[in-house]
Amino acid sequence: LAKTTQPISMDSYEGQEVNITCSHNNIATNDYITWYQQFPSQGPRFIIQGYKTKVTNEVASLFIPADRKSSTLSLPRVSLSDTAVYYCLVGDNFNKFYFGSGTKLNVKP
Amino acid sequence: NAGVTQTPKFQVLKTGQSMTLQCAQDMNHNSMYWYRQDPGMGLRLIYYSASEGTTDKGEVPNGYNVSRLNKREFSLRLESAAPSQTSVYFCASSKSDYSNQPQHFGDGTRLSIL
Repeated sequence: LAKTTQPISMDSYEGQEVNITCSHNNIATNDYITWYQQFPSQGPRFIIQGYKTKVTNEVASLFIPADRKSSTLSLPRVSLSDTAVYYCLVGDNFNKFYFGSGTKLNVKP
Repeated sequence: NAGVTQTPKFQVLKTGQSMTLQCAQDMNHNSMYWYRQDPGMGLRLIYYSASEGTTDKGEVPNGYNVSRLNKREFSLRLESAAPSQTSVYFCASSKSDYSNQPQHFGDGTRLSIL
């Protein structure tokens, strides 16, 4: 089963670039890697998704190496409002989705 | 657009009581999901419905039942609530259950069982 491992927490300062890495050693051939953001008392919100190499949108970039056993979410120039929990999600062969434990990002002024 | 709507937002039950959590989506999605999130932890999949008329167990299905009432609605039932089921419950939907389809989440139902 394609479960994931992430750091429990990270600290950063406003204006810095933040990179959060997720390990998914058992990822299946057809699986995509998806990252979500969750604020307190809210449901998770989709940030970015990718299959291989690099994907970029207006809020983040996702880097995936050739072996796809890990991925890195990159948040450029974070602000206080980026303080949240970030989840890495990989679907397994039976299309059941397992969230990682999440990384609690704390952005300081 | 309302997206995914969950009712109720809060509920307190006594041990042994039953309850149904409701979820509806207005995005014409085929797949729907129920998760639970315990304090300080990630989301765990309880049940999901790949398409109307089908349901399947997730990681933690014991003590729960689900019904895919129609394409829009997916309910979660606790037949005999236990304190261990105190949690925040999230419903989600996606166009399909393939992993390249992002899930859209509701704001959760906070359930306390005394």
